[in-house]
Amino acid sequence: EIVLTQSPATLSLSPGERATLSCRASQSVSSYLAWYQQKPGQAPRLLIYDASNRATGIPARFSGSGSGTDFTLTISSLEPEDFAVYYCQQRSNMYTFGQGTKLEIK
Amino acid sequence: QITLKESGPTLVKPTQTLTLTCTFSGFSLSTSGVGVGWIRQPPGKALEWLALIYWDDDKRYSPSLKSRLTITKDTSKNQVVLTMTNMDPVDTATYYCAHTHRWSVADNFDYWGQGTLVTVSS
Repeated sequence: EIVLTQSPATLSLSPGERATLSCRASQSVSSYLAWYQQKPGQAPRLLIYDASNRATGIPARFSGSGSGTDFTLTISSLEPEDFAVYYCQQRSNMYTFGQGTKLEIK
Repeated sequence: QITLKESGPTLVKPTQTLTLTCTFSGFSLSTSGVGVGWIRQPPGKALEWLALIYWDDDKRYSPSLKSRLTITKDTSKNQVVLTMTNMDPVDTATYYCAHTHRWSVADNFDYWGQGTLVTVSS
């Protein structure tokens, strides 16, 4: 099983700041890495797939990069609605999710 | 407009079998490339993928849960059913079904149901 490790566990930032979230895979997943956003009481929302492709309707402030084992989700300028939990997910070998990064308001 | 909704029991006893139904609209599971998956989330914890079925009846299961899971589809009813045997309190979670498409979102999950909380307790 491919294990995804996200860091940091919690990220405290202010609106307008830049957020950088990391996801590391235990073995190469090529570019088969997605990012989801989840707010309390809601289902996850697909943000990025195949490392860098924004899903339909996702604002341009969200971007993804990386390949192999190291990936990054960047939010260029945080909006109030961006504070949530973010999960990475690989589909290289079945599917696994990371443990999540909570992005909280500082 | 794509929508999905999970239904099933909210409470099951240990050792019982859980049957969950995902009823969807806005797409057909007979369309090439389409799939429906199940993902669960224990309270306060991370997401865990369980199973996936494609338009051509190709089925995939989580290796760690494969012996306990069965996924089927009823194209005429627009439903996907997941059964999980030998339920245990650690299986307490919100269970989600989600839409995927092999080519438009590269097998990732772009539409999700609201989820249904299943508690396992005697």
